[in-house]
Amino acid sequence: QLQLQESGPGLVKPSETLSLTCTVSGGSISSSSFHWGWIRQPPGKGLDWIASIYYSGSAYYNPSLKSRVTISVDTSKNQFSLKLNSVTAADTAVYYCARQYDFWGQGALVTVSS
Amino acid sequence: QAGLTQPPSVSEGLKQTATLTCTGNSNNVGNQGAAWLQQHQGHPPKLLSYRNNNRPSGISERFSASRSGNTASLTITALQPEDEADYYCSAWDSSLSAWVFGGGTKLTVL
Repeated sequence: QLQLQESGPGLVKPSETLSLTCTVSGGSISSSSFHWGWIRQPPGKGLDWIASIYYSGSAYYNPSLKSRVTISVDTSKNQFSLKLNSVTAADTAVYYCARQYDFWGQGALVTVSS
Repeated sequence: QAGLTQPPSVSEGLKQTATLTCTGNSNNVGNQGAAWLQQHQGHPPKLLSYRNNNRPSGISERFSASRSGNTASLTITALQPEDEADYYCSAWDSSLSAWVFGGGTKLTVL
């Protein structure tokens, strides 16, 4: 059974960079033609797609976040990662990684606060 | 902000049928259909259907999806208390080269 697990700091200061990694176990990130993505959910709000990547490295970004986001994949570690720079309080959310959309991580709450 | 349009809330009675809608355009829902996700409070979303009516293994046949033009629908029959949740649709938008979500529908089972 495929499992995904988000990891990274739970608290980030305003204007700094949010960095999260998703570790995939129970299957290879490079063995299937799926999008591996990051989706976030601000407290009490809906789902917001951030970015996705193929194992080949082709990346796709939410146009409203594109200038601040980088998604990358490390097939040797079976991981993919997210970097979101210049964060503000509006970036406070639960961040999910997913093999879109059939397998999800449990989510990681990231709070942006000084 | 949501790229697809969903009604904020739907209420139906126990054992009744609920139909949730998701409206997009010809670049997203009308092109490749939509995925439907269910989310209970405090849990990650769960995939119910993808590309209109393909159900992952283990998803009840009470959940069925369809599409007409640029609108996707999720029909839930024989409503159970555990169906009370938030439901989201999502589709690939070929003009944006991006995934878009609906704002979500909160289903209440009366």
